[in-house]
Amino acid sequence: DAKTTQPTSMDCAEGRAANLPCNHSTISGNEYVYWYRQIHSQGPQYIIHGLKNNETNEMASLIITEDRKSSTLILPHATLRDTAVYYCIVRVQTSYDKVIFGPGTSLSVIP
Amino acid sequence: DAGVTQSPTHLIKTRGQHVTLRCSPISGHKSVSWYQQVLGQGPQFIFQYYEKEERGRGNFPDRFSARQFPNYSSELNVNALLLGDSALYLCASQLGGQGGEQYFGPGTRLTVT
Repeated sequence: DAKTTQPTSMDCAEGRAANLPCNHSTISGNEYVYWYRQIHSQGPQYIIHGLKNNETNEMASLIITEDRKSSTLILPHATLRDTAVYYCIVRVQTSYDKVIFGPGTSLSVIP
Repeated sequence: DAGVTQSPTHLIKTRGQHVTLRCSPISGHKSVSWYQQVLGQGPQFIFQYYEKEERGRGNFPDRFSARQFPNYSSELNVNALLLGDSALYLCASQLGGQGGEQYFGPGTRLTVT
C-alpha cells in the first residue's frame, strides 16, 4: 500500500498558484518526499524531492511541515500544460526500495 | 542527450503468448526499474535491476521476469499472458542503485486479447 494520501482531484485557474497537498503521517526519519507528475499517456516526470527543508527548483516548490507528516507541492503560476496526475511518494535514499505510487491527484488547470 | 527509450511503443498479443519489452536507460545510468500501470491507477513496481542483478521485486507472479545486460539495457519478459496483463509498461532509469530521481520512458502499451 502507498504510504501517502492525496486528494483525488483538484482544479486550478490558469495563472494562479496550484497547491497540491500530501499526507505521509507514517514517514520515517530517513524517508524523502518525492513528487512526480504524469501527463496523459506519457511516462511520469520527476518534479522535486526533499527531506525536511523546503525546496525550490525551476518547476515547483516543496513545502514540508516541521513534523514531516505532510507536504505541499506548489506550482507558482499554473498553465494548461500543468494539467496532469501528480504523485507524492516517500522513499529511502540508502536502500533498494520498492517505489510505491498511490493513485495521485488529477490536477485540471482551467482557462 | 537521449532520455529513456522503450520498444515497442504498442503491442497486441493473444492470451497465452509471451512478450518481451525492451528498455535503454539514460547514458551513464546503471539502474533500471520496471512498472506496470493499469488504466486509472498509479504505476505498480515490478522489478529493479542494478549492475545486472535483481535488487527489488514487487508482488507479481513468476510469469514476470527481467534481466539487465552489460550495457545496462534491460528486458522485461511476461509468459502465459492473461487479459489482466493489458497495461502500460514503464521503464525508469536512475544513476545509482539506491534512491535518487528516477527518469521514466514513454512506456510500452500492451494489449492482450
